[in-house]
Amino acid sequence: DAKTTQPPSMDCAEGRAANLPCNHSTISGNEYVYWYRQIHSQGPQYIIHGLKNNETNEMASLIITEDRKSSTLILPHATLRDTAVYYCIVPINNAGNMLTFGGGTRLMVKP
Amino acid sequence: DAEITQSPRHKITETGRQVTLACHQTWNHNNMFWYRQDLGHGLRLIHYSYGVHDTNKGEVSDGYSVSRSNTEDLPLTLESAASSQTSVYFCASRPGGGDTGELFFGEGSRLTVL
Repeated sequence: DAKTTQPPSMDCAEGRAANLPCNHSTISGNEYVYWYRQIHSQGPQYIIHGLKNNETNEMASLIITEDRKSSTLILPHATLRDTAVYYCIVPINNAGNMLTFGGGTRLMVKP
Repeated sequence: DAEITQSPRHKITETGRQVTLACHQTWNHNNMFWYRQDLGHGLRLIHYSYGVHDTNKGEVSDGYSVSRSNTEDLPLTLESAASSQTSVYFCASRPGGGDTGELFFGEGSRLTVL
């Protein structure tokens, strides 16, 4: 299994970049890294995913280290509405690419 | 617009009763999933399906069952509800295929078992 490790909580000032780290040291060569977030009690929302290269979309950027053992999700200009729990997930290839959600990182964006 | 809907959104029941939570998606996705989330915790996978007539157990499947008679629906049944099954239940779907793709989640069903 490619398990992930994330800090349980982080704070960020509004308007600043939020950098959320994730360790996935046992990731296999063909396993993707996915990021989701969950705002309050809503269903989780997909943010971004990547394999080797850095990725960017309208919500965030994903930086994956060259050895692929860790990644960082970057919210370039955090707003109060970005306060949420952020999950870093590596689907399990030998289990039908099942997505398992761990505890995630609770990001608090403060004014 | 295509969507994924869950019903009921809130349900209170008694111990020992049978409860069914509905999940319906209009994207024609092959893969569907049921998760539960307890207060202050992440999501845990209950059951999943990769297509019609296919069902698989997740990490916390005891006391739950699912059936997949068509592409659109994956109902979750609690045969005999227990207080330990009080939780928020999320249904999700994705197209399937090589890349796992994006999971689309419903709004959740809050179940209380008294």
